[in-house]
Amino acid sequence: AQKVTQAQTEISVVEKEDVTLDCVYETRDTTYYLFWYKQPPSGELVFLIRRNSFDEQNEISGRYSWNFQKSTSSFNFTITASQVVDSAVYFCALSDLSYNTDKLIFGTGTRLQVFP
Amino acid sequence: GAVVSQHPSRVICKSGTSVKIECRSLDFQATTMFWYRQFPKQSLMLMATSNEGSKATYEQGVEKDKFLINHASLTLSTLTVTSAHPEDSSFYICSASPGQGGYEQYFGPGTRLTVT
Repeated sequence: AQKVTQAQTEISVVEKEDVTLDCVYETRDTTYYLFWYKQPPSGELVFLIRRNSFDEQNEISGRYSWNFQKSTSSFNFTITASQVVDSAVYFCALSDLSYNTDKLIFGTGTRLQVFP
Repeated sequence: GAVVSQHPSRVICKSGTSVKIECRSLDFQATTMFWYRQFPKQSLMLMATSNEGSKATYEQGVEKDKFLINHASLTLSTLTVTSAHPEDSSFYICSASPGQGGYEQYFGPGTRLTVT
């Protein structure tokens, strides 16, 4: 079965701390895509990254970085030098390509609070 | 980046009335649009997937006669909550995808529906 697990429900850090959000997935597909989305208090989900199953290179974008490891079925997200504006709920998601539906299977989300 | 608008952002209606929510992709053509429902502090629950010009595919447990979806063009999908009841009060979010096969979804800002 397709599944995404974000075991961390809530994380609190102080500004400038580094924080890693964990994501573990299960899939029977050999080709799949993984995503991270940010949902700030305003409610609108913001797309952060898309990674396909054949590309295990780590990605860095400013203070954000992602570590994709197929061996452990994990796609973890690290924020370096966190800022108050990073406070949000972060969702990891897995594509479901069965039946050409292109659905996303979301994890339960991790609420990150960054305190000044 | 890709922009998806959603209207209205908030709506309050009386029990028994119907409410229509619009979702538009502003700067790209959306092959597929998705409708989600999100309860407070919970993850997104996919309600249905719609492709332009064809009937929507509803997830198990979602009443298609209650949640009418129309995908009239490659940039517009509508969700109509018919005969709304207080238990339909929720945050409804649409998303649009520019292609099939693991493309990212771009989300609208959401609609907060309150049924009194």
